[in-house]
Amino acid sequence: QVQLVQSGAEVKMPGSSVKVSCKASGGTFTNYTFSWVRQSPGQGLEWMGRSIPLLGTANYAEKFYGRVTITADKSTSTAYMELRSLTSEDTAVYFCASSGNNGGSYYHYMDVWGKGTTVTVSS
Amino acid sequence: DIVMTQSPLSLPVTPGEPASISCRSSESLQHRNGNKYLDWYLQKPGQSPQLLIYLGSNRASGVPDRFSGSGSGTDFTLKISRVEADDVGVYFCMQALLTPYTFGQGTKLEFK
Repeated sequence: QVQLVQSGAEVKMPGSSVKVSCKASGGTFTNYTFSWVRQSPGQGLEWMGRSIPLLGTANYAEKFYGRVTITADKSTSTAYMELRSLTSEDTAVYFCASSGNNGGSYYHYMDVWGKGTTVTVSS
Repeated sequence: DIVMTQSPLSLPVTPGEPASISCRSSESLQHRNGNKYLDWYLQKPGQSPQLLIYLGSNRASGVPDRFSGSGSGTDFTLKISRVEADDVGVYFCMQALLTPYTFGQGTKLEFK
């Protein structure tokens, strides 16, 4: 089963950008899609978008459109999430999570999760 | 976006007793392919969420059979037949019929 290791905590200034990485191991990278889900302090879970490395594509929640870019580097088996124009509202733990496939289509459910990356936006 | 509403938001339970969590969606999660795009996740204290149930009623790998999911259309239920100490945490339902995938607010299960 794939394992996901995320990059370390970040502290960012308002208006700046952050790029979080998620390195996959233990499986064929292109057999998975990688979603990004965030959790604000004391709050619930929010799906931001997903990358499909095999196709080189991504789709995003409309809320984040234009401000987030989700990519995947097949050469290093690493997924990335970049969020721009940060505000204090973006202070959260950011999780990457993978979804496998059945040989024909990708599953939607996220059965492997990284440990999360804490992003703090503060001046 | 599809709105997911869970109840209760807090669930005090006695070990060994059953527990039940309800999840309601603002529109039907039944796809024309017959699948119900509703999943359940558990976030234990200090941990990442983990998949419990997918497509309404299928237990994920390694999930004990005391967990069961049921429901259709807009109404779904997660049941724990006998709550154990390891079940403490926050339970989330999530719809995956349409993007953006959306989660319920979470139900915090704790011991009385």
